[in-house]
Amino acid sequence: GAVVSQHPSWVICKSGTSVKIECRSLDFQATTMFWYRQFPKQSLMLMATSNEGSKATYEQGVEKDKFLINHASLTLSTLTVTSAHPEDSSFYICSAGTLLNNEQFFGPGTRLTVL
Amino acid sequence: SQQGEEDPQALSIQEGENATMNCSYKTSINNLQWYRQNSGRGLVHLILIRSNEREKHSGRLRVTLDTSKKSSSLLITASRAADTASYFCATGRASGTYKYIFGTGTRLKVLA
Repeated sequence: GAVVSQHPSWVICKSGTSVKIECRSLDFQATTMFWYRQFPKQSLMLMATSNEGSKATYEQGVEKDKFLINHASLTLSTLTVTSAHPEDSSFYICSAGTLLNNEQFFGPGTRLTVL
Repeated sequence: SQQGEEDPQALSIQEGENATMNCSYKTSINNLQWYRQNSGRGLVHLILIRSNEREKHSGRLRVTLDTSKKSSSLLITASRAADTASYFCATGRASGTYKYIFGTGTRLKVLA
């Protein structure tokens, strides 16, 4: 149980385009989903926390207008990188959790390359 | 800033040896998780230890938690070349916003 999937697993796009990444909890309902970013050889940095049906809470320094997060259901959250630039190239990882026991389960990640 | 600091940052050992990685954190936690990440890949969950637990085992893995010192350790016994990866701790806070903060990670290299 507790499987989280991400789609796509990798994406290459041109500078200026927008990219949407999906995060799904496959066998449980996630009250909260988190989005992380990881640059090469660095740790994961939390970008934002989203609760189903409400606006996401962004970490300091993360542009909410650039990284649009939608958590429309208890099993799906999406991250849209708008007007992507090469510096947005990174590994994006989501996690899903429930308030029941404060445990989180991570997706396999999406590698974004912006040319 | 990140909550967790791990040491060492890098560790190189011979196959068969034990590897110990440490994680220190700053605020009270609800639980702590250890993850492995192979280069360029996603996270693999290893162990979750709750704040009321002191030690957990899973196969060749042993995790300890000392809440008084705000630290945790991950021990990999009889290491194998396949254990080569980066290892991260992630702490879930006891109060305030429910979220996990990752440590800086330890890059482990096991030499065959």
